[in-house]
Amino acid sequence: DTGVSQNPRHKITKRGQNVTFRCDPISEHNRLYWYRQTLGQGPEFLTYFQNEAQLEKSRLLSDRFSAERPKGSFSTLEIQRTEQGDSAMYLCASRLDPGHYGYTFGSGTRLTVV
Amino acid sequence: SQQGEEDPQALSIQEGENATMNCSYKTSINNLQWYRQNSGRGLVHLILIRSNEREKHSGRLRVTLDTSKKSSSLLITASRAADTASYFCATALGASGSRLTFGEGTQLTVNP
Repeated sequence: DTGVSQNPRHKITKRGQNVTFRCDPISEHNRLYWYRQTLGQGPEFLTYFQNEAQLEKSRLLSDRFSAERPKGSFSTLEIQRTEQGDSAMYLCASRLDPGHYGYTFGSGTRLTVV
Repeated sequence: SQQGEEDPQALSIQEGENATMNCSYKTSINNLQWYRQNSGRGLVHLILIRSNEREKHSGRLRVTLDTSKKSSSLLITASRAADTASYFCATALGASGSRLTFGEGTQLTVNP
């Protein structure tokens, strides 16, 4: 297993366009998390899945954001009608639950909205 | 919102010295974790300490947790230039440690 994989690594889009990011977690990990990180800040929680069920969404996740994990494996995060304020690093992480384990993060997708 | 606050925000030391970073949090926790992030990369899990533990070691890392003061510290001994990175504490609140809430991080620079 090569860890958590995120694609693309970088995405530049024009304001108003839709973008979709993909995350492939570690195969045996049942929990998958999405975080957003802006420059100089710590990651902020967006949402997480237990297998295919979305268990929690942050208030940060406006109705322009949607996340799916259709078969309990990979996940997608879509942002519709992007705004300049959406520019950030989007991080995906996975872990095995239950248990006191840390998260395994991917390298992130850096989104720039111009 | 950010649960943890790291102190200091930035730390610059010489190779071979020890580095200590502190983290304070606001609510009761299930466990506290420390992560490292190199510039522009994802986070790497360093160490997890449960709420009923007071101290934990992993290689050159030593973490302490004081739940009465709602604070934790990360000590890196005999630092190396490769330790240069941002360090974040993160708290897990739920019974099985659901989502993590991160602090704003400490930027550590180790000068050769």
